[in-house]
Amino acid sequence: RKEVEQDPGPFNVPEGATVAFNCTYSNSASQSFFWYRQDCRKEPKLLMSVYSSGNEDGRFTAQLNRASQYISLLIRDSKLSDSATYLCVVRRTNAGKSTFGDGTTLTVKP
Amino acid sequence: DVKVTQSSRYLVKRTGEKVFLECVQDMDHENMFWYRQDPGLGLRLIYFSYDVKMKEKGDIPEGYSVSREKKERFSLILESASTNQTSMYLCASSPSTSYEQYFGPGTRLTVT
Repeated sequence: RKEVEQDPGPFNVPEGATVAFNCTYSNSASQSFFWYRQDCRKEPKLLMSVYSSGNEDGRFTAQLNRASQYISLLIRDSKLSDSATYLCVVRRTNAGKSTFGDGTTLTVKP
Repeated sequence: DVKVTQSSRYLVKRTGEKVFLECVQDMDHENMFWYRQDPGLGLRLIYFSYDVKMKEKGDIPEGYSVSREKKERFSLILESASTNQTSMYLCASSPSTSYEQYFGPGTRLTVT
């Protein structure tokens, strides 16, 4: 079983839709969580960190459920420019490295 | 603005050749990483480094080595390239105070 698992999609949604992605992690020692965005043929870039209390940045909301070991990303009022692959990233406190999920592909259509 | 640069965007090498991939960051970050990204397999960590002359194996170090002689530069070496090392290679850096990683544009390596 992979340490970080995401539904690969693709998710195809119309503009203005609300879409949610989940990501599950297997190691309960995981302490830090992030969502990265990767555009086609580009490098990944940090979208947002995920805090225990949940956090919001404009149309994006990230939540963490430690009991069930998953994190989620909610995108409201989808824009064409939101089309990208969204990578879930998990880091254990005592590990020097982060583990990336394989990514979920989102396509927003007019 | 953080900048991570990689020496080549595209590279074609023959089986058995020694290959050097260079990565340079300009933000005085302590941590540097090398990943490869393949369809269906996501990003996998090859090696990382916390400091000059220091290196740690990632998840898939076999067939690779690294060098960090200066803080800003982290090199990935394929001692004898093989076709299964054809991939997109991404370098990243991060400060010790944050887990946010800044990625370079990537090098698409093809081994024939």
